[in-house]
Amino acid sequence: AQSVSQHNHHVILSEAASLELGCNYSYGGTVNLFWYVQYPGQHLQLLLKYFSGDPLVKGIKGFEAEFIKSKFSFNLRKPSVQWSDTAEYFCASRSNFGNEKLTFGTGTRLTIIP
Amino acid sequence: KAGVTQTPRYLIKTRGQQVTLSCSPISGHRSVSWYQQTPGQGLQFLFEYFSETQRNKGNFPGRFSGRQFSNSRSEMNVSTLELGDSALYLCASSLAGRSNQPQHFGDGTRLSIL
Repeated sequence: AQSVSQHNHHVILSEAASLELGCNYSYGGTVNLFWYVQYPGQHLQLLLKYFSGDPLVKGIKGFEAEFIKSKFSFNLRKPSVQWSDTAEYFCASRSNFGNEKLTFGTGTRLTIIP
Repeated sequence: KAGVTQTPRYLIKTRGQQVTLSCSPISGHRSVSWYQQTPGQGLQFLFEYFSETQRNKGNFPGRFSGRQFSNSRSEMNVSTLELGDSALYLCASSLAGRSNQPQHFGDGTRLSIL
């Protein structure tokens, strides 16, 4: 079974700091990777996704993520965070094989201090 | 276009009762997935439906069941409710449920068991 690990449970940063949230997935085959964000009181929204091609993918609101196959990682980055980035961030993976489900990590709560 | 709509938004039940939650996917989306979200466990996959057929099932007891109608709307039923069933239940839809298609989430139904 697939699994996704997000080792940072709660990250606190000041505005303008750089952000990197870790994500590791377990599936060794072809995999599709996603980052979702859940702002307070809102539904989960897709930040970005990786299927194939350029391993550096850009998403909405200045976020990007890099797929490193050799490390089974898909870390989320943003060069300069804003207070409005305060939210919970979920990494998810889904293999291309069969009808595998979308598997989520446990999430990282990000708090930005103004 | 309208997003994923879940009803009701909030529900309070007592142990032993049963509950039915409803999900209307984005127009044109034929795949619907259900998740249970709790602070300790994150997002746990319940099941996925495509064209009225259950395509995938998570590791939940048989008290949790679902179905999908010909118009792609889906319902989830939980019987003999337990205190541990208190959670946010999320519905997500995608075009055809392919592994590289992102899922679009509703606001969820918050179920509280007394």
